[in-house]
Amino acid sequence: NAGVTQTPKFRILKIGQSMTLQCTQDMNHNYMYWYRQDPGMGLKLIYYSVGAGITDKGEVPNGYNVSRSTTEDFPLRLELAAPSQTSVYFCASSGTGQETQYFGPGTRLLVL
Amino acid sequence: AQSVTQPDIHITVSEGASLELRCNYSYGATPYLFWYVQSPGQGLQLLLKYFSGDTLVQGIKGFEAEFKRSQSSFNLRKPSVHWSDAAEYFCAVRTGNQFYFGTGTSLTVIP
Repeated sequence: NAGVTQTPKFRILKIGQSMTLQCTQDMNHNYMYWYRQDPGMGLKLIYYSVGAGITDKGEVPNGYNVSRSTTEDFPLRLELAAPSQTSVYFCASSGTGQETQYFGPGTRLLVL
Repeated sequence: AQSVTQPDIHITVSEGASLELRCNYSYGATPYLFWYVQSPGQGLQLLLKYFSGDTLVQGIKGFEAEFKRSQSSFNLRKPSVHWSDAAEYFCAVRTGNQFYFGTGTSLTVIP
């Protein structure tokens, strides 16, 4: 049981490049989330999903896109990378009731 | 918008001493409240949560938290801190499907 896995662990992007951060969970959870964590700022919710085919914006969605074609996968897309997107990105999932969120190990992204 | 305030950016305690980390929230109704811990380079792990009922909740690793509606607070406590408790601690609120996190409190434990 791997829980929530994220790839890659670290990535350097040039301004204007695009990339997809991968997130997979094997707990059959309905809810999945993407957060960004900046130093001294805590976690901010980017997007979340309540099930396959259903996504919604969180607190800071600008510059990102998501899709949820399966229960297991919830990729986060950056279309035109900007220095402001330098951050650590965490994916999380939770079951019905959203009582406990299980977090992945994070992806560190540097945009130069 | 909802907000979560953790007024202490950094706290240092001696091993064996008691600990209290403060958390205040702004929300009209009774929220769902959480405390998470993050070790360096790791994701977050749930310590405890409050949804309803008894206002004193017990969590893992010997932590507890008390919900005080009148003070809009959900402070985290531990009677005796261990060196392994050194980490970053986050308070969070869930409203609907959205979670709001505080900015965190970094805990240093000195021998």
